[in-house]
Amino acid sequence: DSGVTQTPKHLITATGQRVTLRCSPRSGDLSVYWYQQSLDQGLQFLIQYYNGEERAKGNILERFSAQQFPDLHSELNLSSLELGDSALYFCASSVVPVAGGSGANVLTFGAGSRLTVL
Amino acid sequence: GESVGLHLPTLSVQEGDNSIINCAYSNSASDYFIWYKQESGKGPQFIIDIRSNMDKRQGQRVTVLLNKTVKHLSLQIAATQPGDSAVYFCAEINDYKLSFGAGTTVTVRA
Repeated sequence: DSGVTQTPKHLITATGQRVTLRCSPRSGDLSVYWYQQSLDQGLQFLIQYYNGEERAKGNILERFSAQQFPDLHSELNLSSLELGDSALYFCASSVVPVAGGSGANVLTFGAGSRLTVL
Repeated sequence: GESVGLHLPTLSVQEGDNSIINCAYSNSASDYFIWYKQESGKGPQFIIDIRSNMDKRQGQRVTVLLNKTVKHLSLQIAATQPGDSAVYFCAEINDYKLSFGAGTTVTVRA
C-alpha cells in the first residue's frame, strides 16, 4: 500500500456520461498529480495541485477538470466521455511540488482507477 | 515537443543475468531523472533517481547511469529475479512537470 488511495478501482460507463475519480494523497503530502495511462501510451501528465491551487497543467482536455479540496483530497471530473477516454487514471502525491534537482518531490502513485467507456 | 523515450519496448532476460534498460531524452534542460517500475495492476513505484550533476548512482541491485553528452539514461539491474518482471519507465523533471517515457516491458525467464 503506497498510502495514496484512489476510488473507484474500476468504472464502466457509456459515451456521453460524466464520472468523478477521487484521490486521497499520502499523509503529509500537499501536492497531488493526475496522470492518464492508455494501452498504447505511457503516462501522460494531466494536472497538478499544491495545497489547493493548480500548479501545472499538461495535456488535459477541456472536457476534464480537477480540483484539490481543503482536506487535500482531489477529484478528477471527466465529462462527455468518449471511447478514447478509456484508460487507467493515476493519482500521485508528493510532499512538495515537482521541481528540478530535488529528491524531496518524488511522486508516490496510487493503484489507479480503470475507466472503461462503452 | 521534447520528451523522454526508451530505446526498446521489450526486454527478455534470463533469471540471474544482469538487465540493462535504456532511455534517451531530448530535453537538455532537464536536471533530474527518475526510474519507476510498474507491476501489473499497480501504480508506478519509485526505484532510483539521479541529478544531472551526477554520472552514476547505485541502489540495492540497481544502478542508474547518466550520460549528458549523448542524453542517455540507463538502469542496470543486477542478478535479475522473477519479481523484477514489470514495465520500467524513465522520467524527467522539466518545467516543474514530471514527464514519462513510453516504458520497457521486462520479462524474466526462469
